[in-house]
Amino acid sequence: DIVMTQSPDSLAVSLGERATINCKSSQSVFYSPNNKDYLAWYQQKPGQPPKLLIFWASTREPGVPDRFSGSGSGADFTLTISSLQAEDAALYYCQQYYGLPLTFGQGTRLDIK
Amino acid sequence: QLQLQESGPGLVKPSETLSLTCTVSGGSISTTHYHWGWFRQPPGKGLEWVATISYSGSTYYNPSLESRVTIATDTSKNQFSLEVSSVTAADTAVYYCARHPYNIYEFSRNWGQGTLVTVSS
Repeated sequence: DIVMTQSPDSLAVSLGERATINCKSSQSVFYSPNNKDYLAWYQQKPGQPPKLLIFWASTREPGVPDRFSGSGSGADFTLTISSLQAEDAALYYCQQYYGLPLTFGQGTRLDIK
Repeated sequence: QLQLQESGPGLVKPSETLSLTCTVSGGSISTTHYHWGWFRQPPGKGLEWVATISYSGSTYYNPSLESRVTIATDTSKNQFSLEVSSVTAADTAVYYCARHPYNIYEFSRNWGQGTLVTVSS
């Protein structure tokens, strides 16, 4: 199984500041024939299903604010929220879809300071 | 707009079989390339992929659950289902159904709201 490890487990950031969440996979999730990283980011708020934010490591889902961005390649990835808004307080998960079983990181809790 | 809705009993006894259904609206589960999956999330814990079935009936299971899990489609009702046999307290979770846009090796864009299943006598 590909193990996904997120850091930190939790963080608190002030409104308007930058938030950065890291995700590391136990093996590369880059597929060279199509030059894509098989990595997604989701946001989850209490009592709600996960919401897709980013796929292919850096492609923003339509409708997701442009303050959310994804970067990285191979086995190291980052989700950045450039200017934190109150509604961004949530759990964030990375997921690899390069190999089966599909696996998720343990989650990062983002709070407003 | 594609919508998914889980349904099933909220309480299952240990050693029995958990059965859930996902009803899809706004699209056909037989649409070429679509793949339909189940995920679960124990209370206060992270997400786990359980199983996926393709538009053509190919099935994929998480090896950690494969011996106890069955996924199937009912195209006449535009539904797909999940059965987990011999359940224990460890199977207590919110179960979500979701769609992979093109194949199993993809993210999930559309999710149901989830249904909590508790395993308890």
